[in-house]
Parts: sequence; structure tokens; C-alpha cells
Amino acid sequence: KAGVTQTPRYLIKTRGQQVTLSCSPISGHRSVSWYQQTPGQGLQFLFEYFSETQRNKGNFPGRFSGRQFSNSRSEMNVSTLELGDSALYLCASRLRTSGGEFFGPGTRLTVL
Amino acid sequence: GQQLNQNPQSMFIQEGEDVSMNCTSSSIFNTWLWYKQDPGEGPVLLIALYKAGELTSNGRLTAQFGITRKDSFLNISASIPSDVGIYFCAGDSNNAGNMLTFGGGTRLMVKP
Repeated sequence: KAGVTQTPRYLIKTRGQQVTLSCSPISGHRSVSWYQQTPGQGLQFLFEYFSETQRNKGNFPGRFSGRQFSNSRSEMNVSTLELGDSALYLCASRLRTSGGEFFGPGTRLTVL
Repeated sequence: GQQLNQNPQSMFIQEGEDVSMNCTSSSIFNTWLWYKQDPGEGPVLLIALYKAGELTSNGRLTAQFGITRKDSFLNISASIPSDVGIYFCAGDSNNAGNMLTFGGGTRLMVKP
């Protein structure tokens, strides 16, 4: 069974631009979560989607948004990029309500 | 910000030695997870713990879910060079939906 895939793997943007990242969960997994990883703040939860609905949201500004499609694939969008948005963005999927999440390789976003 | 205190932040050990790391929290979690992250990759799930007091092994790795549900421990026996990486603990409150809280990570370095 294929793992979680994320595209693109690397991205360079400039301040003020917007970006869309894509995630395909493991087949059969309906829950998709997004995390931001930075050296200073570590791994922080952004939001979780289940059956196309946002079920949980972390403490990030409204510039960070996401959605989930009927095939469970998910996208996250960051508008009006800031330098501090440079990070590794990780997507994770899980099969059940409890149990561990399985992470993709991440998208490395650099904002110049 | 992070709510899990993970220790130690880094370890430099000799091949063959045993390793111990732990996470403590001010909050109760219903699930504890341990992940390993290699450079340029997403975290990989090592062990999942679901019950207070539970002790679970995965090869040379053993993890325990603390009785108070506010802490967890990971031990690695007879370390080998490929154990190098960053180990993260994560707690899941399993409330409606999913939202993992991560520790700051333990960077493990193994000297052959």
C-alpha cells in the first residue's frame, strides 16, 4: 500500500504570494492532518479534515486554510506569505479515530 | 506552542549502548506515540501506546505509557548507527477528531 504523498517536495516563494500544497493520504484513510515544522517551534498542528469537513484547527492565523476532497485528498493554502512561514509542511493520515498518524515526506517551503 | 517537555534534547552515545528518553506533560493524554524523523523525511511511527501503564516493544525499542497518563518513556537497547535521527513523542487527547501535540525532539547521535 502506498504511503502518504505530498507535492511539491520543495517550493520557493516570495513575500506576499500565496501557495497551495497537496496531500494524498494512504488509501482508505479518511482523516488528513497538516502540521508545520520549524526549528524554533517544532511540530505544530495546523488542522484536520475528515469526510471533507474541518474537524480540528490549531492556533494559526486565517491566512492558513485547507480543504479535503471526496477522495480524501487534501490541500492547504497559505495566502500573503511571510518570511516566518518558511517551514516543512507535513501531511499525515490515519485510518481510525485513535491510533497513530502516518506522515508524508513533507513540502519544504522557503519564503524569500 | 508545545506542551510536551521532552528530554534529553540531544544524546551522543557509543554504539551498543542503551538509550532512554522521556516526555512529560501538564495535560492528560489518551494515546502516546513515538516517532523517528530522518533528515529530509517525515516522522515515522515507531510505537503507539493506548492504555495507562502499557509497556510495548518493537524490536530493540520499548516504550511505556505512564500511569498518570502525563508521561511516556522510550528505551532503545544496543544502539546501532542507523538509530541516528530525531525522536519525537506525541500525545493525542482523542477528543472529537485528531490533534497531536509533539515534544521538542531528542537528537540521537551514535558513534560507531
